[in-house]
Amino acid sequence: GAVVSQHPSWVICKSGTSVKIECRSLDFQATTMFWYRQFPKQSLMLMATSNEGSKATYEQGVEKDKFLINHASLTLSTLTVTSAHPEDSSFYICSADRGGNTEAFFGQGTRLTVV
Amino acid sequence: LAKTTQPISMDSYEGQEVNITCSHNNIATNDYITWYQQFPSQGPRFIIQGYKTKVTNEVASLFIPADRKSSTLSLPRVSLSDTAVYYCLVGDGAGGYNKLIFGAGTRLAVHP
Repeated sequence: GAVVSQHPSWVICKSGTSVKIECRSLDFQATTMFWYRQFPKQSLMLMATSNEGSKATYEQGVEKDKFLINHASLTLSTLTVTSAHPEDSSFYICSADRGGNTEAFFGQGTRLTVV
Repeated sequence: LAKTTQPISMDSYEGQEVNITCSHNNIATNDYITWYQQFPSQGPRFIIQGYKTKVTNEVASLFIPADRKSSTLSLPRVSLSDTAVYYCLVGDGAGGYNKLIFGAGTRLAVHP
């Protein structure tokens, strides 16, 4: 099956710093990728839709200036959490769309801890 | 996007068949029904997808009645490793656009 890889798997950063998370589709091209956030014992919450070559579309309530998304190629989307705060600590997951009538493929997730 | 309703949790024992039903009363004509499994600290993993009637693969079966307002995921002979959260989602996959809105999911606990 198709593979989507996230890097890093986990990261610890200090408050006020920025963290970049990468999402790569390893064996297919993805014009669209999605970013989710998941808090403990909760479901995945869609943050934004990442479109290759254009601006990301953010869900209501998600700060676009805080969560910067760049989809510069058909195999890579990045999420940068800027000026991170402890409340940004969460599990961030990406998914990639292979197109056509197929399922979405998810990365393994990135555990962000802001101290 | 169609909203889904599932039981919050279920318990089962090893070797039993588990059926998880999902309601999606306002499913659209173009919507497909997809089930994902998620283990703690991992991304969701695709289980099965269907549009109508019955779909079966090596891990599960999906039953969809004619009105498509609900669906049932059937896991045959579960094991401890099937303990996970199961999500039912509906969406228009035909357009190649898997913008998935996750509901609460069903937390399945399999006991020895």
